Formats: sequence, C-alpha cells, structure tokens
Amino acid sequence: EAGVVQSPRYKIIEKKQPVAFWCNPISGHNTLYWYRQNLGQGPELLIRYENEEAVDDSQLPKDRFSAERLKGVDSTLKIQPAELGDSAVYLCASSLVVSSYEQYFGPGTRLTVT
Amino acid sequence: QQPVQSPQAVILREGEDAVINCSSSKALYSVHWYRQKHGEAPVFLMILLKGGEQKGHEKISASFNEKKQQSSLYLTASQLSYSGTYFCGTEYLGSGANNLFFGTGTRLTVIP
Repeated sequence: EAGVVQSPRYKIIEKKQPVAFWCNPISGHNTLYWYRQNLGQGPELLIRYENEEAVDDSQLPKDRFSAERLKGVDSTLKIQPAELGDSAVYLCASSLVVSSYEQYFGPGTRLTVT
Repeated sequence: QQPVQSPQAVILREGEDAVINCSSSKALYSVHWYRQKHGEAPVFLMILLKGGEQKGHEKISASFNEKKQQSSLYLTASQLSYSGTYFCGTEYLGSGANNLFFGTGTRLTVIP
C-alpha cells in the first residue's frame, strides 16, 4: 500500500514569492492534516480536513496561508507571500477515521525562504 | 497546550533501557507516540486511550496515568535502530477529535 505522497520534497524561494505544496493521502483515508514542523520542534497542526471540509483551521495564518481539498482526496497548501519565518518542514498526514486513530505522515516538504 | 517531554535527550549503549515521559496540564483523552529519524517522517508507534490498557510494541511499551495526566514510553534492551527523536502527541478532552498537540521531542541516541 502506498504511503502519503508529498511534493516537492524541497523548495527554496525568495521572500514575498508564492509557494504551493501538494499531498496525496493514503487511499481511503478520509481525514487529512497539514502540519508545520520548525527545526527542533514537534509538528504543529495547521489545518484538518474531514473529506473536503476543513473542520479545524484555527492554527492556520489565514492572511497568507490557504488550503484546499476539492474532491476529498488530494490537497494543496499555499503560502502567498512567503516570509522568512515560514522556513520549516510542512508535513501532511492522513488517518482512516477521525477519533484516536494513528496518523500516517508523508515525508514532508522542506521550505527555505531566503 | 503543548505537552512537556523529558528528558530532552538521552544517550544509551545497546541493550540499555530508557524511559521517556510526557506530561500535560490539561485533561487527556489519548496520547500518541511517534518516532522520527533525521530527515524522515514521524512513524506511529502506539496510542494510549483514556481508560485503556498499557500498550506494547516489540520491546517498546507505554503507560498512561490518567490521574497525573502523564504518559511514559519504555524502551527495553535498546537497539541501534531505536535512535531518533520521540514525540508524544496529546489529544485533549473536548479539543476536537484527533487534534494532536506534540511535545518538543526527546532525542534518543543508541551507541554500540
């Protein structure tokens, strides 16, 4: 069974530029999460989807971050414009059902903003 | 809302045991444990649910003390492959199903 797929794996951009990350969850997983992981820290939840609905985006900086999961399968996270402080690893995870099930993480996208 | 993990780092020789602790100031519904190797995705180890039993996974087991809002991860007879950073993710009562708040991690290094 294929795991969570993310692309690109690495991205280097200049500040004020836009950037987008893509995630394809494990087949059949209804719940999808985007996390941000700063160096030396644990993952921090940005947004959680159940199917195509964003059910928790309280941690998403909405002035510059947006996300979508149009058909309830793959998802895109966008930053526009990027700032130096956005440099981090962006992780996507999925789980089979919502409550208290293991989350499977993708390899992440390492973003460097210069 | 972030749980507190201790110790921050530990170095073991192969075959030695270790305990990693995770504590919360808020009432917990579940605790998830993950291991992350450098440059890789976190890998799920186990979940402990409120009212549930102690879990085990090969030589790695964990407990959940509901009174103290704490969980401990036990690694016995450590192997080189156990090296990595261990994170606990806590799910709080009433916070939203499966919304995990991760600690800052415990870096475990196993040496020959």
